[in-house]
Amino acid sequence: KQEVTQIPAALSVPEGENLVLNCSFTDSAIYNLQWFRQDPGKGLTSLLLIQSSQREQTSGRLNASLDKSSGRSTLYIAASQPGDSATYLCAPLGSGYALNFGKGTSLLVTP
Amino acid sequence: DTGVSQDPRHKITKRGQNVTFRCDPISEHNRLYWYRQTLGQGPEFLTYFQNEAQLEKSRLLSDRFSAERPKGSFSTLEIQRTEQGDSAMYLCASSASGTTEAFFGQGTRLTVV
Repeated sequence: KQEVTQIPAALSVPEGENLVLNCSFTDSAIYNLQWFRQDPGKGLTSLLLIQSSQREQTSGRLNASLDKSSGRSTLYIAASQPGDSATYLCAPLGSGYALNFGKGTSLLVTP
Repeated sequence: DTGVSQDPRHKITKRGQNVTFRCDPISEHNRLYWYRQTLGQGPEFLTYFQNEAQLEKSRLLSDRFSAERPKGSFSTLEIQRTEQGDSAMYLCASSASGTTEAFFGQGTRLTVV
């Protein structure tokens, strides 16, 4: 069974800082990995999808890297803003149809 | 295209009652997923449909839970004889054929009292 761990569990930073969110998974036989954002009481918003053959993917101020062999993915957020405050979830997809989620990193960016 | 739509957004029910949730996926997405999320946890997979066929069910989906996607478009998730432990956010997601990028709805928050 795929186990997903996200570190740190919570993070509070002042506006403007560059951030690193970490995701590790136990089964490296993944098809891809997706990063999501979740605002309180809301659904999930897809941020980035990295295929297993890719090393990284970028969208605006976000950059996600994937090291499949070591079971790690990292989400970089550049020049953080208060609007980035949310919970960030990573979810690798294995051989089945189910995304396996970690508990997420709760981010607070203060003005 | 308005994204994945879920109805209702909130449901409060008494223990023992039956409830039904609806999910409308992004049009032309043939893959549909249901997940459940409790407070402080990541979503947990419940079931997967490809068109109208239910291809995978989690062991979390007890006999009291049933999901359908009769015409390969919208889907319903029914919980019979609700229990307090069923209180959670129920999330629906869809993806297009040829891709596994999942798009989620806003969820249905169920509270069993």
